[in-house]
Parts: sequence; C-alpha cells; structure tokens
Amino acid sequence: EVQLVESGGGLVQPGGSLRLSCAASGFTFSSYALSWVRQAPGKGLEWVSTVSGRVGDTYYADSVKGRFAISRDNSKNTLYLQMNSLRAEDTAVYYCAKASGAYNFDYWGQGTLVTVSS
Amino acid sequence: DIQMTQSPASLSASVGDRVTITCRASQGISHYLAWYQQKPGKVPELLISAASTLQSGVPSRFSGSGSGTDFTLTISSLQPEDVATYYCQKYNSAPYTFGQGTNLEIK
Repeated sequence: EVQLVESGGGLVQPGGSLRLSCAASGFTFSSYALSWVRQAPGKGLEWVSTVSGRVGDTYYADSVKGRFAISRDNSKNTLYLQMNSLRAEDTAVYYCAKASGAYNFDYWGQGTLVTVSS
Repeated sequence: DIQMTQSPASLSASVGDRVTITCRASQGISHYLAWYQQKPGKVPELLISAASTLQSGVPSRFSGSGSGTDFTLTISSLQPEDVATYYCQKYNSAPYTFGQGTNLEIK
C-alpha cells in the first residue's frame, strides 16, 4: 500500500524558513517523480514543485522559484521542501504527491498546514 | 505558460442528471490532461488520466474526453456521493498547472 506522510508544517513569521518532509512507502521510491501541491484555505489546488525520479531534475512554480527548494533522499525514501523567505500568501496545506508514470498524481498524502503570520 | 480554464466555476444538479465540466488549455497539450475529485475535507483523488483513462476503482459513470485544447469530464448519472470540487491538470510539461476548480452540488 502506498503511503505518503508529510511533516514539518507549523506557524512561521513572514521572512522565516521551514522544511517540510514527506516519508514514502509502498513503492519503489527512486523510480517515480514526486511533487508538492498546496491549497490555501478555501482555495483551489496549486502545483508548487516536482522532482523527477532517478535523475532528480527539479521544476518550480513561478510563485516559489528562488525561495523554495525541492529535494529527495532515495536512501531514506523521503521528499523535502525547503521554504525560505516565506510570505503570508504561502499559507496553505502542503500535499506531497506521487507521480504516476507521467506527471499526474496518483497518490497524495494527508497534507501539512503551513501558516505564515506575525 | 499555458493557462487552464474550467467552466462552470460552480454547478448545481439533481440526482440522476448528466453533468459536464469543461477544461480549456490556452495552448495544445495533446492528451496530457488529468481530472481530480476533492470531496469536502478530503485529499484530492485522481479520477482520469490521459484525458480519458479511468483510474482503477472509479465508477463507470465518470468519463473524460478531448484532446489538444478542449476537454470534458462527464458524470452520466449524478449520485449524492459525487458532491465535490473537480480539478483538471495539464501535465505535458512544467508548470503542471491545475484549473481553478468546479464546485459540484446537489440541487
């Protein structure tokens, strides 16, 4: 059974940093791309970032480019999102999502809430 | 970047109705279109990939069609458990943009 478990969310002040983690199990971790997708309170889904499988190519939404960094540790089956220079508009539930063979998302974690506020 | 526009933004229909949601890409994306369902308070679930391929376990009343720039999600006979927000997503290349969502309610 595929499982994705996010952690690391919380309350942070504007300009601060936070690192999210996503522990994965139930599939060959290194073979699949993984992504972060966020959802602000009462709003729609916003793709944030993707890292490919073995090669580790990274992709970012313009809204986070230069501030966020996605990475993966294939030895630990864990995905990360380092978030710097956080803004109020980054407040959202952040979901970890596994890509299918293509870049749609067939499994999602339960999400972790990030609140950026003073 | 390619924009994804869904219509309508919200929809109210009766049980048993045929419901259609559309998604339009600002440029062609071939068949690289997915549909997701997000029930209230729940995690999104993948319904359809490659514009028309139903995921395992998804009821057959759901179907998808389209290619290029215009896509549709159809529910042939609306059921109470279909109350949700539906999102399309392009995945031909980054950015893997979602549509703004369609909120489906029962009349």
